[in-house]
Amino acid sequence: ELKVEQNPLFLSMQEGKNYTIYCNYSTTSDRLYWYRQDPGKSLESLFVLLSNGAVKQEGRLMASLDTKARLSTLHITAAVHDLSATYFCAVDMLGSNTGKLIFGQGTTLQVKP
Amino acid sequence: DAGITQSPRHKVTETGTPVTLRCHQTENHRYMYWYRQDPGHGLRLIHYSYGVKDTDKGEVSDGYSVSRSKTEDFLLTLESATSSQTSVYFCAISVSETTEAFFGQGTRLTVV
Repeated sequence: ELKVEQNPLFLSMQEGKNYTIYCNYSTTSDRLYWYRQDPGKSLESLFVLLSNGAVKQEGRLMASLDTKARLSTLHITAAVHDLSATYFCAVDMLGSNTGKLIFGQGTTLQVKP
Repeated sequence: DAGITQSPRHKVTETGTPVTLRCHQTENHRYMYWYRQDPGHGLRLIHYSYGVKDTDKGEVSDGYSVSRSKTEDFLLTLESATSSQTSVYFCAISVSETTEAFFGQGTRLTVV
């Protein structure tokens, strides 16, 4: 059974600080997705990581994938208030070509001025 | 919102009544999914479709059925709603099984 765990589940940080959200998954998969959700809103796709060693960056967010360690990280650089949201990682179910995703529990990020 | 419309956006229904949620897309994407979101669980897949009349179960399919008679519409039915089905339901679409999914705005369903 594929399980996806995020750590931490809640993160309160000061503006300007750096931090990392971790996403561990339990079985083989070569595709990992990061999504952002604002309160009461839909999910917005942030990154698609398709291979071992993949690294993608957008603004203050950078995501990476280590398929051997079954670990993805979402690094936040010099956080700003606008980054406050819940972040989800998701992995293809069973590592197969189904498009069915298993989501982590989500990490709620609160950036304080 | 990638051309996805969910209806209704909010619904309150009584235990034991049937409920149908609709997902309509204008993108002509092959794959469509229904997820539910509950606190502490992230999103969990209920059912998905890989083409017209082609559907399959997800993690939490008990108590739910789906139908897809047209490419653009994917219906989720709760045959007899229970309080445990109170949740926010998201529809998602994707071009293929290896590309990112785009999500609708969600339907908040309350079963009383």
